[in-house]
Amino acid sequence: QSALTQPASVSGSPGQSITISCTGTSSDVGGYDYVSWYQQHPGKAPKLMIYDVSNRPSGVSDRFSGSKSGNTASLTISGLQAEDEADYYCCSYRSGSALVFGGGTKVTVL
Amino acid sequence: QVQLVQSGAEVKKPGASVRVSCKASGYTFTDYYIHWVRQAPGQGLEWMGWINPYSGGTNYAQKFQGRVTMTRDTSITTASMELSRLTSDDTAVYYCARGHSWNVQNPWFDPWGQGTLVTVSS
Repeated sequence: QSALTQPASVSGSPGQSITISCTGTSSDVGGYDYVSWYQQHPGKAPKLMIYDVSNRPSGVSDRFSGSKSGNTASLTISGLQAEDEADYYCCSYRSGSALVFGGGTKVTVL
Repeated sequence: QVQLVQSGAEVKKPGASVRVSCKASGYTFTDYYIHWVRQAPGQGLEWMGWINPYSGGTNYAQKFQGRVTMTRDTSITTASMELSRLTSDDTAVYYCARGHSWNVQNPWFDPWGQGTLVTVSS
């Protein structure tokens, strides 16, 4: 099972916006509106940030937004803050009753 | 509050089996799927499979089929994951996570347990 493709790292200055991509195929990201995003700080469990491509759970800052175009989903962080420095993972349903994660993206706040 | 509390760290020898438990509280245990995800040191997240606590039905990632067994005990609202024939490649933090209430295709995991480190070493 190959993982979804994410950039290894993305960086930005405080206040800027950054976008993390998550590329799959028509059998996963492109075929279903079942994409979620997770934030993970070092040594901590992941935290749900976006579900169903673009929905935010209660309590998650509206600086986080999600979208999808074709086989690529994206997570945008606006007004970047120091606390946003973490690893981010996308996850999608894949036909055949599987779930698959992206390889992860390290976000650095300069 | 909704909470998943996992069992403690384990050290196992190659070829052995390990069992990790996940105690749920703060919600109706049988209403939500439980997923298992692992993370090798310095690596990304890897989905292992799910269990339906209501029916006991399971679905395992192809990579782990034949080697993983997921079970639940509704009387103590606990899900468990057993992985057999361990190798050093199985050294990882293992997480349980509450899944969607009815749509198992939806990769909605919230919350997660705190993680259990399993170390496989001779």
